[in-house]
Amino acid sequence: GDSVTQMEGPVTLSEEAFLTINCTYTATGYPSLFWYVQYPGEGLQLLLKATKADDKGSNKGFEATYRKETTSFHLEKGSVQVSDSAVYFCALSDPGGNNRLAFGKGNQVVVIP
Amino acid sequence: NAGVTQTPKFRILKIGQSMTLQCTQDMNHNYMYWYRQDPGMGLKLIYYSVGAGITDKGEVPNGYNVSRSTTEDFPLRLELAAPSQTSVYFCASALGGPQETQYFGPGTRLLVL
Repeated sequence: GDSVTQMEGPVTLSEEAFLTINCTYTATGYPSLFWYVQYPGEGLQLLLKATKADDKGSNKGFEATYRKETTSFHLEKGSVQVSDSAVYFCALSDPGGNNRLAFGKGNQVVVIP
Repeated sequence: NAGVTQTPKFRILKIGQSMTLQCTQDMNHNYMYWYRQDPGMGLKLIYYSVGAGITDKGEVPNGYNVSRSTTEDFPLRLELAAPSQTSVYFCASALGGPQETQYFGPGTRLLVL
């Protein structure tokens, strides 16, 4: 079935550092890909998405490119701020699938001043 | 718009008790979802609905029930609470299918002792 794999473990980095969070996926069809962010004590909210191969989603300085050849959707930000501390979830939906999003396990990102 | 609202925010249940988690959205969305979030495990879909009167099981439906009598409301019922149901529960809604952005409520933290 459809699945998403995120890199293991929390990510701790200093303010203004470069952030990369890896996400790879397995899907039978042509899925849409998402990054959701969860700030402390809140529900998830959409950060960015891409619906077809080679699309780049971007928002708040974050970017991710839909790479069909490597089945990846890595999240990047060039200069993180303390306010970017949150949990980041990669997810996919398969339009030919069963009406659900498949989520990765999430990555805790901690930005130190 | 209030978006997606959930009540209660926190609840402690004894084993065998029952309760209903409430979810309401004011965006006239057709699709609604219930997820549970366990530490380090991402989100798992419990039940979803594609419109009033229509519900279907997700990945982990055992021990739960839902109903969708109106477009706005999608309550989740726990009949016989078990410690394994200790989790954070999120309700979400979307205008269309899973390719659309999902809007999440703030969550209900449930502890079963």
